[in-house]
Amino acid sequence: EAQVTQNPRYLITVTGKKLTVTCSQNMNHEYMSWYRQDPGLGLRQIYYSMNVEVTDKGDVPEGYKVSRKEKRNFPLILESPSPNQTSLYFCASSFLQGALFSPLHFGNGTRLTVT
Amino acid sequence: AQSVTQPDIHITVSEGASLELRCNYSYGATPYLFWYVQSPGQGLQLLLKYFSGDTLVQGIKGFEAEFKRSQSSFNLRKPSVHWSDAAEYFCAVDGADGLTFGKGTHLIIQP
Repeated sequence: EAQVTQNPRYLITVTGKKLTVTCSQNMNHEYMSWYRQDPGLGLRQIYYSMNVEVTDKGDVPEGYKVSRKEKRNFPLILESPSPNQTSLYFCASSFLQGALFSPLHFGNGTRLTVT
Repeated sequence: AQSVTQPDIHITVSEGASLELRCNYSYGATPYLFWYVQSPGQGLQLLLKYFSGDTLVQGIKGFEAEFKRSQSSFNLRKPSVHWSDAAEYFCAVDGADGLTFGKGTHLIIQP
């Protein structure tokens, strides 16, 4: 089954403790992206990647890192989480940049709470 | 810079009634427009998309949307809603800045 898999689904952590949210897709997509969803703000892009070893900042990259060592994986790293990073995070992938040539496929989300 | 406005944060509709969710966009060239739906606890699913051609596009689950260039709008419609349509709906525009989402409209279905 074609899917984007994020783990974990729920995560509670404390300020400053490094964490990684994993994202994996099995559709051989070149493009992958991370979004955060906050009430009243909709979805905002954090980082995106057009292919292996190619990553770029989105609208709200501060406090986040990503890597794209393999085509299927695009982990989101919070080196020193802070409470303002409490949010619902979504990973997404598609064949090419943006949604022009294929729709974005979304994971089911990771709800992160930083205390 | 491109932007998307969904003016209604919440909409309540009775089951069986018709639905229209509003979306206005700002983009200098011909936009590529999308509607996504997010059911509770789920990721986003593409409902429909507009690239060019016929301004009335059909999507999944009985939804349709009409692109009106003169009004910079891409409103989502459904003639008769079902309780399972209760969800968050996002309009998005794909332009030079990538994919930009509106803030979403929360649809509540009354029995």
